[in-house]
Amino acid sequence: GENVEQHPSTLSVQEGDSAVIKCTYSDSASNYFPWYKQELGKRPQLIIDIRSNVGEKKDQRIAVTLNKTAKHFSLHITETQPEDSAVYFCAASKADKLIFGTGTRLQVFP
Amino acid sequence: KAGVTQTPRYLIKTRGQQVTLSCSPISGHRSVSWYQQTPGQGLQFLFEYFSETQRNKGNFPGRFSGRQFSNSRSEMNVSTLELGDSALYLCASTLGASNTEAFFGQGTRLTVV
Repeated sequence: GENVEQHPSTLSVQEGDSAVIKCTYSDSASNYFPWYKQELGKRPQLIIDIRSNVGEKKDQRIAVTLNKTAKHFSLHITETQPEDSAVYFCAASKADKLIFGTGTRLQVFP
Repeated sequence: KAGVTQTPRYLIKTRGQQVTLSCSPISGHRSVSWYQQTPGQGLQFLFEYFSETQRNKGNFPGRFSGRQFSNSRSEMNVSTLELGDSALYLCASTLGASNTEAFFGQGTRLTVV
């Protein structure tokens, strides 16, 4: 069945450093890869997404890369700030069926 | 535009009982998906409804069921509750066209005692 593996499960960085979260998906037919941020006690919210016909997408301090051959995609956050602290979920989708990774708890220390 | 609304926010039920959760999507959204969120397991896909039909299904037992009404509102039912069903249940709505942003509700926190 479909599966998305996400690493690491926890990540601690100093403010200003970069953070990278990696995901691997199993279903080669997946064609949409969103990333969601969930702050404590709040609902998940989309922060960036990428479609399978694109290799990289950037939005200010966040970027996502996709390697379809290896079935890998990654989230990169540069110049991290304390407000980036949250749980981040990657997901792979085929025909509106979103399969999520298990999440990465990112802590940014001032 | 109102967001995705889930009711109730909190529920406490006893083992063996059944429960129904409700999700009202964003106006104009035709697809509603349900997820179970537990610590360490992330967001596990339950099912997705589009135009009153179940279009996708996850790997949950038959005790978990759902439906969607003509106004796109969706309900999820869990019968014969088990302690392990305690979780945050989130629904998300999308336009229903393939691969568009999913907007989540605030969830229903279900505790089974």
